[in-house]
Amino acid sequence: ETGVTQTPRHLVMGMTNKKSLKCEQHLGHNAMYWYKQSAKKPLELMFVYNFKEQTENNSVPSRFSPECPNSSHLFLHLHTLQPEDSALYLCASSQISQGRTDTQYFGPGTRLTVL
Amino acid sequence: AQSVTQPDIHITVSEGASLELRCNYSYGATPYLFWYVQSPGQGLQLLLKYFSGDTLVQGIKGFEAEFKRSQSSFNLRKPSVHWSDAAEYFCAVGPGGYQGGKLIFGQGTELSVKP
Repeated sequence: ETGVTQTPRHLVMGMTNKKSLKCEQHLGHNAMYWYKQSAKKPLELMFVYNFKEQTENNSVPSRFSPECPNSSHLFLHLHTLQPEDSALYLCASSQISQGRTDTQYFGPGTRLTVL
Repeated sequence: AQSVTQPDIHITVSEGASLELRCNYSYGATPYLFWYVQSPGQGLQLLLKYFSGDTLVQGIKGFEAEFKRSQSSFNLRKPSVHWSDAAEYFCAVGPGGYQGGKLIFGQGTELSVKP
């Protein structure tokens, strides 16, 4: 595998379910990101992890819980979601050196539908 | 507040015609600038980027973009569009020094190509 991979590609869940999205980067980067892409809205940055430490939480509701066990893997745990959480969730990675960030590379996304 | 504006929500061009997609940003310092392309159901692919130096940058798939500081613009161009270029295009801005991975995206321009 190369680049950034995400699983599953599609997910349908009820509002009471618990599910997780997985992202893996094969680029040797030290930073990973979660974005939400809703129809007709700009991409919204949700979380940033730098060297496994969360450095950004963009006022995301607690029903979204990120986990970054190492620099190559990123998870988004989902619990008690709402229908308005239906969206494409994109993972990205980049290299951060001396506080400067290089280009972000994106995975194909997980299309989430909340019923 | 920092912002990115893509004035055209949807553009239709004929195959073989030239293309220009507009992007304007609002930021006090020289930002890092990116253009990404997204095909349906896919993640974002980097077309090109500007960090510093020559203000005319070349990217993949025959695209180029020009940074104009006086106009706070970073317009994307292609001299001859191919049907495979139909996709959604996103301009993104990283604040000066691009620290913390905070990319700000425009709302996107959907490109249709007619035969």
